[in-house]
Amino acid sequence: AQSVTQPDIHITVSEGASLELRCNYSYGATPYLFWYVQSPGQGLQLLLKYFSGDTLVQGIKGFEAEFKRSQSSFNLRKPSVHWSDAAEYFCAVGVMEYGNKLVFGAGTILRVKS
Amino acid sequence: ETGVTQSPTHLIKTRGQQVTLRCSSQSGHNTVSWYQQALGQGPQFIFQYYREEENGRGNFPPRFSGLQFPNYSSELNVNALELDDSALYLCASSFVAGENNEQFFGPGTRLTVL
Repeated sequence: AQSVTQPDIHITVSEGASLELRCNYSYGATPYLFWYVQSPGQGLQLLLKYFSGDTLVQGIKGFEAEFKRSQSSFNLRKPSVHWSDAAEYFCAVGVMEYGNKLVFGAGTILRVKS
Repeated sequence: ETGVTQSPTHLIKTRGQQVTLRCSSQSGHNTVSWYQQALGQGPQFIFQYYREEENGRGNFPPRFSGLQFPNYSSELNVNALELDDSALYLCASSFVAGENNEQFFGPGTRLTVL
């Protein structure tokens, strides 16, 4: 069965520091991978997506993610975190199985300290 | 371009009641998916509709049902509400039911079952 694991429930970083959020997936076929961000009381906003090609993908708000097939990972990074990045981040894999669905991880809550 | 909208924003029901949640897809989109996000968890796929037909279903009982209308708006109906149905319900629309299509999420409806 498909699954996504985000090992870190909470992460706290200082403003201006670098950030890496981990994501591991389990999926038998070629994965379509996504990172979403959710602020309190808001829906999900897409940060970036990987379908094929270059394994380093750039997204909005200065985020990037690297797909590593050998490690089944799709980690999200940002070189310098801003206070406004505090939110919950979800990694997801797109699954084509009687329709098209997203399988999400449990999320990582990012706290930014000044 | 109007994004995905959902109504109501919040809803309180009692156990055993029935509820209907509504979603208006983004302009030009013909596919809608519904997700349940329990507190502290990632969203879980309920089902997807494509051109008014169910196009995929997650591991949810039949008391969760849906409709998609000719204008591509959608409803999620839940009968015989249980306490565990308390969650944020997210609607997402996309252009086609394809493996790599981006899903655009609405802000969600927060359902509380007492």
